[in-house]
Amino acid sequence: IVLTQSPGTLSLSPGERATLSCTASQTVNNNYLAWYHQKPGQAPRLLIYGASTRATGIPDRFNGSGSGTDFTLTISRLEPEDFAVYYCQQYDYSLMWTFGQGTKVEIK
Amino acid sequence: QVQLVQTGPEVKTPGASVKISCQASGYTFKNFVLHWVRQAPGQRPEYMGWINGGNGNTKYSQIFQGRLTITRDTSANTAYMDLSSLTSEDTAVYYCARGLTRADFWGQGTLVTVSS
Repeated sequence: IVLTQSPGTLSLSPGERATLSCTASQTVNNNYLAWYHQKPGQAPRLLIYGASTRATGIPDRFNGSGSGTDFTLTISRLEPEDFAVYYCQQYDYSLMWTFGQGTKVEIK
Repeated sequence: QVQLVQTGPEVKTPGASVKISCQASGYTFKNFVLHWVRQAPGQRPEYMGWINGGNGNTKYSQIFQGRLTITRDTSANTAYMDLSSLTSEDTAVYYCARGLTRADFWGQGTLVTVSS
């Protein structure tokens, strides 16, 4: 399964709403779709799993939605610490992971 | 708390092998799968494979078939990733990560530089 993220870059100001898209080339098994963000020099951090469940400690401004092949991550009001690269990731019947190419959320 | 601690940076020459360790703490090692993911500079994470901490079963991405070996030592709560026949294209940060369908905890990453 190939994951395609859009847009490649999102230029927004703090307080604005961010909407990120992840489209799969085939139906994602059981909606096993996760979202991470990654800051320079750090490992990715899990935000959302199962398409819509927030990971432990993730604030409620992060919301995941979607099913099948189309998934969305919405950040309701951007905080300064949210500017990062965001990746979607899926787990499939071959018991392997694949990652999207990423969306960079940058300060406008 | 859950921690995954990896070995330090490595510099290798082309054709060599590298072995990275990932020591787990804060949870029952045998109850979880550990994955290996690498990330070249400016690129998306690239999936390598996994090992079942309990029974030692492994599965590798076809991209690395024949070059990648993942093992574990349950007495040390440690997983190992061994990649052979290195080329400059293997220069990347290598991560271990815990989970099955997603990575809920990550190691800090190990930079592997392949250069002559």
